[in-house]
Amino acid sequence: GAVVSQHPSRVICKSGTSVKIECRSLDFQATTMFWYRQFPKQSLMLMATSNEGSKATYEQGVEKDKFLINHASLTLSTLTVTSAHPEDSSFYICSAKTTSNQPQHFGDGTRLSIL
Amino acid sequence: AQTVTQSQPEMSVQEAETVTLSCTYDTSESDYYLFWYKQPPSRQMILVIRQEAYKQQNATENRFSVNFQKAAKSFSLKISDSQLGDAAMYFCAYRSRTSYDKVIFGPGTSLSVIP
Repeated sequence: GAVVSQHPSRVICKSGTSVKIECRSLDFQATTMFWYRQFPKQSLMLMATSNEGSKATYEQGVEKDKFLINHASLTLSTLTVTSAHPEDSSFYICSAKTTSNQPQHFGDGTRLSIL
Repeated sequence: AQTVTQSQPEMSVQEAETVTLSCTYDTSESDYYLFWYKQPPSRQMILVIRQEAYKQQNATENRFSVNFQKAAKSFSLKISDSQLGDAAMYFCAYRSRTSYDKVIFGPGTSLSVIP
């Protein structure tokens, strides 16, 4: 089956640090990748959609200068949380898909803690 | 904009019994997908079952089946012969065929299985 690898699984860093999270499709080419944020006991909230080779489309209320997304290849998308602060602490999950009629495949998520 | 509602924040079921989780959604589109995802404590997102809106037949996957009522915009999940491993958060999700195929998740239902 299709596998999406997300790294790191857990990161703890100081306030003001920039943190990069990688999302890789290991055995398929992902034309579209999605980034979600999940607070404790809440649902997944879509942050942005990225298509390979083009700028990401951000959902309303998501700061694009705060959450930088790069989708430079068909197998890799990165999310960089710039100048992270404690309120950015959350669980971030990526997903990837190929053609329209295929379901998304999720990574295992990254737990980000900002001290 | 599409919305997904799950009216049961928490549900419980006795082991080996059957439980039904409710989901309603709102959309003006006629062609879309519906999903049920399971998120255990590990927070991995696991696809349980999916339904294509143009198919009238309800999807089934082993002990999991759905009752898809397109006119009523209802998409409930039935879990038969519940097992301890079924305990998790369950998210109903809607995926448009447009808008880059982004997925909208419901707020989730926490399912407990009582031994």
